[in-house]
Amino acid sequence: QSVLTQPPSASGTPGQRVTMSCSGSSSNIGYNIVNWYQQLPGTAPKLLIYSNDERASGVADRFSGSKSGTSASLAISGLQSEDEADYYCAAWDDSLNGPVFGGGTKLTVL
Amino acid sequence: QVHLQESGPGVVRPSETLSLTCAVSGYSISSPYYWGWVRQPPGKGLEWIGSIHHSGSIYYNPSLKSRVTISIDPSKSQFSLRLTSVTAADTAVYFCARDHLPVASFDAWGQGTLLAVSS
Repeated sequence: QSVLTQPPSASGTPGQRVTMSCSGSSSNIGYNIVNWYQQLPGTAPKLLIYSNDERASGVADRFSGSKSGTSASLAISGLQSEDEADYYCAAWDDSLNGPVFGGGTKLTVL
Repeated sequence: QVHLQESGPGVVRPSETLSLTCAVSGYSISSPYYWGWVRQPPGKGLEWIGSIHHSGSIYYNPSLKSRVTISIDPSKSQFSLRLTSVTAADTAVYFCARDHLPVASFDAWGQGTLLAVSS
């Protein structure tokens, strides 16, 4: 059971806009920044979004992040087949005194 | 450009101790950043294990703290993970990463090494 809650799956067709959510609490998302990771099949995670809404170096502007209260969202516009991957949110947790991850959302491009 | 590379035995017997090393190149391990370990059981999500700074400051996941030791050797530009009394539940891909503690931002990762606990 992950500390941060993400829907297990999401899907969209090429060109569509897809959003995925990440829900936490006041001990993590509520008072700390959220980061998003993309994990392509068989590879290591890659930092996608940091500090809630900043794109990491080399990340396309089709990817955007936002945060409100104890929840965060990742949006992908102009969906492409190469976006098919697992997406994880993460935030520092003040109770754990360490980073926590969501369970991940598997994005399928139909 | 920073490069991280994990190395380990591949298979460990139940109740034994797991030891992994992460070699860092292209960046000073004595930088202000922390260096961490994250694992991923087959088909499951990511779990933070712990992170270390070259000064000796260490953070551990409380759920693993009693079994985990992370150390760092700046002279060899590497850091290590030791996990005792392993069980099948410790079977996972283990990643090392550069950690911008305390903001849950890991901006450089090793490719990962699969560690199987099996007799």
